[in-house]
Amino acid sequence: AQKITQTQPGMFVQEKEAVTLDCTYDTSDPSYGLFWYKQPSSGEMIFLIYQGSYDQQNATEGRYSLNFQKARKSANLVISASQLGDSAMYFCAMREGSPHTGTASKLTFGTGTRLQVTL
Amino acid sequence: DTEVTQTPKHLVMGMTNKKSLKCEQHMGHRAMYWYKQKAKKPPELMFVYSYEKLSINESVPSRFSPECPNSSLLNLHLHALQPEDSALYLCASSQDPSGRGSYEQYFGPGTRLTVT
Repeated sequence: AQKITQTQPGMFVQEKEAVTLDCTYDTSDPSYGLFWYKQPSSGEMIFLIYQGSYDQQNATEGRYSLNFQKARKSANLVISASQLGDSAMYFCAMREGSPHTGTASKLTFGTGTRLQVTL
Repeated sequence: DTEVTQTPKHLVMGMTNKKSLKCEQHMGHRAMYWYKQKAKKPPELMFVYSYEKLSINESVPSRFSPECPNSSLLNLHLHALQPEDSALYLCASSQDPSGRGSYEQYFGPGTRLTVT
């Protein structure tokens, strides 16, 4: 079963508008973290924002905010005031809790949403 | 300095060649990762090193051989690859291998590998 689901293969948004990229997740682990990464055509994965499962408030980082709805198991990324440079692939990812300090944990990625910002 | 560097940027190799990919970070991170990414797909985890020891091997074929000479360096040795191994190979590092807290993975720019 998919642990991370991104249902929007592609999205268009006009410059200066806000856009929401959807992400739902599935885990039975009470301790987990959710990440959003941006991947421009150059290939590098750029970390955008993090939300921990025990965080009470939604994460924000500049123009990025994460709409975390724990009961619905969703962690949507909201980009405000879109810019042309925001055009890229966006991946939602989940890190599930590791029981032992020092034991590496894994990041599972969704299939991504390609965002195109237009004039 | 939040940079992960990878060399080379591009690599073309034949199926009988032996080559290596290199990854370096100077952030004091104790976990390093290799991912493989095919076009229009998400990254797939290959290996994880935690405190310079191989911690996770995602059933990767033996023609891929990772090595962690020290806490800053990670290599991926390639031998007898197949054309289907052509992909973007991404290296990443994170501060805490256990993944506790918001210790995000920092990615390098990747090596685009073509196997002919």
